[in-house]
Amino acid sequence: KAGVTQTPRYLIKTRGQQVTLSCSPISGHRSVSWYQQTPGQGLQFLFEYFSETQRNKGNFPGRFSGRQFSNSRSEMNVSTLELGDSALYLCASSLSSGLQETQYFGPGTRLLVL
Amino acid sequence: QQQVKQSPQSLIVQKGGISIINCAYENTAFDYFPWYQQFPGKGPALLIAIRPDVSEKKEGRFTISFNKSAKQFSLHIMDSQPGDSATYFCAANPSNTGNQFYFGTGTSLTVIP
Repeated sequence: KAGVTQTPRYLIKTRGQQVTLSCSPISGHRSVSWYQQTPGQGLQFLFEYFSETQRNKGNFPGRFSGRQFSNSRSEMNVSTLELGDSALYLCASSLSSGLQETQYFGPGTRLLVL
Repeated sequence: QQQVKQSPQSLIVQKGGISIINCAYENTAFDYFPWYQQFPGKGPALLIAIRPDVSEKKEGRFTISFNKSAKQFSLHIMDSQPGDSATYFCAANPSNTGNQFYFGTGTSLTVIP
């Protein structure tokens, strides 16, 4: 079974630009969560999508948004990029939401904002 | 604010030794506590998890000890091996919040041969 895939793996943008990251969950998984990983803060929850609906949202500004498609693939978008948005963005998939099942993480997209 | 506090930030252990990583939390709504292992260039992978109704869970060389009254839990890696060198994260999930997990800041473990 293929794992969680994320594209692109690396991205360089400049301040003020916007970026879209993509995540394909494990086949059959309906929940996709997004996390921002930085050296100082560790992993911080951005949001979770389940059955095309945002189920939870972390404490991030509105510049961070996401969506989920009918095939469970998910995208996250960051508008008006800031230097502090440089991070590894991880997505994780699980079969469902709220049942404390195993979350499977992708390798991440490393975003550098110049 | 960091809802799950993890220590130490880094740890160096001799091969065959015991590695111990500690986490503490305040939110009593947390009811699921997983530990993740992350190698460079990879996403975190679930190692072992515990619920607060048990005080200890063991899987192979990995053991979680849980102290509900102190709101603390720890990961013990017995007979540590160089292949265990990785970053370890504790996490916590409040009930009824879907898959929203709060992570510790991570511990970089190095096992010296």
